[in-house]
Amino acid sequence: EAQVTQNPRYLITVTGKKLTVTCSQNMNHEYMSWYRQDPGLGLRQIYYSMNVEVTDKGDVPEGYKVSRKEKRNFPLILESPSPNQTSLYFCASSSRGLGVADEQFFGPGTRLTVL
Amino acid sequence: AQSVAQPEDQVNVAEGNPLTVKCTYSVSGNPYLFWYVQYPNRGLQFLLKYITGDNLVKGSYGFEAEFNKSQTSFHLKKPSALVSDSALYFCAVRDLLSSRGSARQLTFGSGTQLTVLP
Repeated sequence: EAQVTQNPRYLITVTGKKLTVTCSQNMNHEYMSWYRQDPGLGLRQIYYSMNVEVTDKGDVPEGYKVSRKEKRNFPLILESPSPNQTSLYFCASSSRGLGVADEQFFGPGTRLTVL
Repeated sequence: AQSVAQPEDQVNVAEGNPLTVKCTYSVSGNPYLFWYVQYPNRGLQFLLKYITGDNLVKGSYGFEAEFNKSQTSFHLKKPSALVSDSALYFCAVRDLLSSRGSARQLTFGSGTQLTVLP
């Protein structure tokens, strides 16, 4: 089954404790992206990756890091989480980031609470 | 810069009645427009998209959307609503002439919560 998986689905942590949210897709997609969803703000892009070893900032990258060492994986790293990073996070992928507007496939989401 | 507005946070409609969820956009060039739906505790699912051609786009689950260039709108519609259509709906746009080039992906609206009442 074609899918985007994220782990963990739920996470409660404390300020300053480094964490990683994993994202993996099995569709051989070149493009992957991270979003955060906050009430009244919709989805805002954090980082995206056009392909392996190619990443770039989205609209709200502060406090986040990403890496793309393999095509299928795109982990989101919070080196020193703060309470304002409490949010619902989505990973997404699509077959192409250039030219044609392919629809994105979304993971199930990770609900992060930073105390 | 590209932007999307969903003017209604909440839309309520009776089952069997037609529904409309509104979306307006702003881009510099020609838009690619999308609708996604989010059911509780789930990720977003693609419903339909407008690229070019016929202004009326048909999508999944009986939904359709009408592209109106003069009004810069892309409203989502369904002739007869079902209780199971109750969900959070997002409109999204991509500007073909974005200054960040083709790497710039979607800008999402703030979402509209659709509730279909039995």
